Amino acid sequence: AQSVTQLGSHVSVSEGALVLLRCNYSSSVPPYLFWYVQYPNQGLQLLLKYTSAATLVKGINGFEAEFKKSETSFHLTKPSAHMSDAAEYFCAVSVRAGANNLFFGTGTRLTVIP
Amino acid sequence: KAGVTQTPRYLIKTRGQQVTLSCSPISGHRSVSWYQQTPGQGLQFLFEYFSETQRNKGNFPGRFSGRQFSNSRSEMNVSTLELGDSALYLCASSLGLPDEQYFGPGTRLTVT
Repeated sequence: AQSVTQLGSHVSVSEGALVLLRCNYSSSVPPYLFWYVQYPNQGLQLLLKYTSAATLVKGINGFEAEFKKSETSFHLTKPSAHMSDAAEYFCAVSVRAGANNLFFGTGTRLTVIP
Repeated sequence: KAGVTQTPRYLIKTRGQQVTLSCSPISGHRSVSWYQQTPGQGLQFLFEYFSETQRNKGNFPGRFSGRQFSNSRSEMNVSTLELGDSALYLCASSLGLPDEQYFGPGTRLTVT
């Protein structure tokens, strides 16, 4: 079975500070991992994905994530927070070849303080 | 390139009624997946269609059903609506591999 745990349902950072959103996964086979962002009243937008290539993945809007198999983690980071980063962030895992069912974490709401 | 579109965006229904939601994927995408998002349960996978066939199904009752047409457009239907079906229903399309999925804006269903 596969699952995702996001530590911290709410994270607040100051504008310009480091953003760190945590995600740990559980999977019996090598996973595909994703980070999505959701702005109010909108759908999900893909930030980045890990599909067994480079372990350090760069995404849009300055975000990146590192796949650490030994820690079963895929934490999302951004060096300097911007006001426009305020949103809800979801980590997701997909493991079965040929299947497109994503298992999502419970989400982390990021607040950026001016 | 047009994104994933979902219609309607908002819907209010009464308990016991049925509802049909529509999703048009990105041109060329053959896989359409549906998700339910609620404050209590978060984002949950409903089902996926690929080339008009249901390829995967989540853990939802039979009241939730879907289909996909030859042009890859998909519909999902919920019969005998319950208050707990109130949610944001998201549709996502992809080329078909377990690759990135592109989400639509969702249909917000309110059951009264």
